[in-house]
Amino acid sequence: NAGVMQNPRHLVRRRGQEARLRCSPMKGHSHVYWYRQLPEEGLKFMVYLQKENIIDESGMPKERFSAEFPKEGPSILRIQQVVRGDSAAYFCASSPLGQGRNQPQHFGDGTRLSIL
Amino acid sequence: SQKIEQNSEALNIQEGKTATLTCNYTNYSPAYLQWYRQDPGRGPVFLLLIRENEKEKRKERLKVTFDTTLKQSLFHITASQPADSATYLCALDIGAGNQFYFGTGTSLTVIP
Repeated sequence: NAGVMQNPRHLVRRRGQEARLRCSPMKGHSHVYWYRQLPEEGLKFMVYLQKENIIDESGMPKERFSAEFPKEGPSILRIQQVVRGDSAAYFCASSPLGQGRNQPQHFGDGTRLSIL
Repeated sequence: SQKIEQNSEALNIQEGKTATLTCNYTNYSPAYLQWYRQDPGRGPVFLLLIRENEKEKRKERLKVTFDTTLKQSLFHITASQPADSATYLCALDIGAGNQFYFGTGTSLTVIP
C-alpha cells in the first residue's frame, strides 16, 4: 500500500502507558480516517479528520482516545493509559479533498498494538 | 442497528472456477458500495465501487452486482487464480461524512 504511511508497524506498550500512532496520508489527500480491527472482526470506524479539524469522531471511545491532524505533519492517534483491550491493528486511510463518498479510501498497512 | 453480513465461512475453490462472495445488509440505504481486498498483515486495497443506480460493474476478472431490493451485493472472480487468495471486504457508506461500515470479510482460498 505505497502512499499512506503508518508508523510504527508494531508497537508494544505496558498497561497504563501511552501509545501514539502516526499516519501520513497520500500526497494531495487531506481527508484521514482511522479504523480499528480486531481478529475475526471487521474494520471499525473510529474518527474522520481533515486538516486541523475533527469531522466525525462518533466511533472513538469517549475516554483515553484522541486524534489530531495538524496543519503540518502526520495525523496522530493517541491512546492514553492503555489497557489489554486496546490490543488491535489500527489502520489509517486517506482520500482526496472534497471528493465525497464515491471515492475509494487508500489504506496504510496498519500499526499492530500489543499491550502487555 | 446497522448490520453487514458476509459469507461467514471461508470459501475454498479450485483454480479456474468462479468465486462468488456475498454481502448482505440491513437497515441501510447506501448510495455506494465498495469492495476491498486484504492480505495478511496488510491494509485493505480498493477493488471496485458500485452506485445504487448501477446493477453491475466489471473490472477485468472481477464483477460486482448491487441489488437494492434484496439489499445484497455479489462479488465474482472469474477464472480464479491462487494469487486471488485473500480476505475480501465489502463496505457501505452510511450517508454521513465519508464514513463507511465494513463487513467482517470472507476468506477466499484458491486451490491450484
